[in-house]
Amino acid sequence: DQQVKQNSPSLSVQEGRISILNCDYTNSMFDYFLWYKKYPAEGPTFLISISSIKDKNEDGRFTVFLNKSAKHLSLHIVPSQPGDSAVYFCAASQGGSEKLVFGKGTKLTVNP
Amino acid sequence: DVKVTQSSRYLVKRTGEKVFLECVQDMDHENMFWYRQDPGLGLRLIYFSYDVKMKEKGDIPEGYSVSREKKERFSLILESASTNQTSMYLCASTLTGRSPLHFGNGTRLTVT
Repeated sequence: DQQVKQNSPSLSVQEGRISILNCDYTNSMFDYFLWYKKYPAEGPTFLISISSIKDKNEDGRFTVFLNKSAKHLSLHIVPSQPGDSAVYFCAASQGGSEKLVFGKGTKLTVNP
Repeated sequence: DVKVTQSSRYLVKRTGEKVFLECVQDMDHENMFWYRQDPGLGLRLIYFSYDVKMKEKGDIPEGYSVSREKKERFSLILESASTNQTSMYLCASTLTGRSPLHFGNGTRLTVT
């Protein structure tokens, strides 16, 4: 049973516009969420995180929103740049656990 | 800056061979992890270790074992490689449960 779902395998946006990547989860015990970015032939790199006590966290062009009642989080990238083209993974954990549960990823393509 | 180094970028092995994947981190992290990444399946946890000589099974431990004799080194062992173990293998480390994972660049293993 997939506990973290990224239902869009791919997303294509124009440079300068907003990219919105979505993630849903089923386990209500998850209380910490992260986004990772992965380029081909490299390991994933940490992008941004949010604790369940918040509903928004911002870091430069990247903002993560958390809607606990809907068990939904989203990553907004504004403005999108061609260098943002990568696979984005949503991940979740509970109770301070070191174990992360990852989604299947969304491939973002930002067109110049 | 944290560095997680995986000893091989590409490996080709034959069915039935014993395969060792090595991972070293240089930041004195307590926790180390092995994931595999497959298209359409995202990242799945194989094993993790929260201390020297300690290990715990992840979501897909079958066909794998691990070894952690020193804090900085975590090895993944395929006892008898099979073609369904052809995958990208990613090692990661973290200091605590709420710290982001730091990933290596991965080992692309092909079993023929």
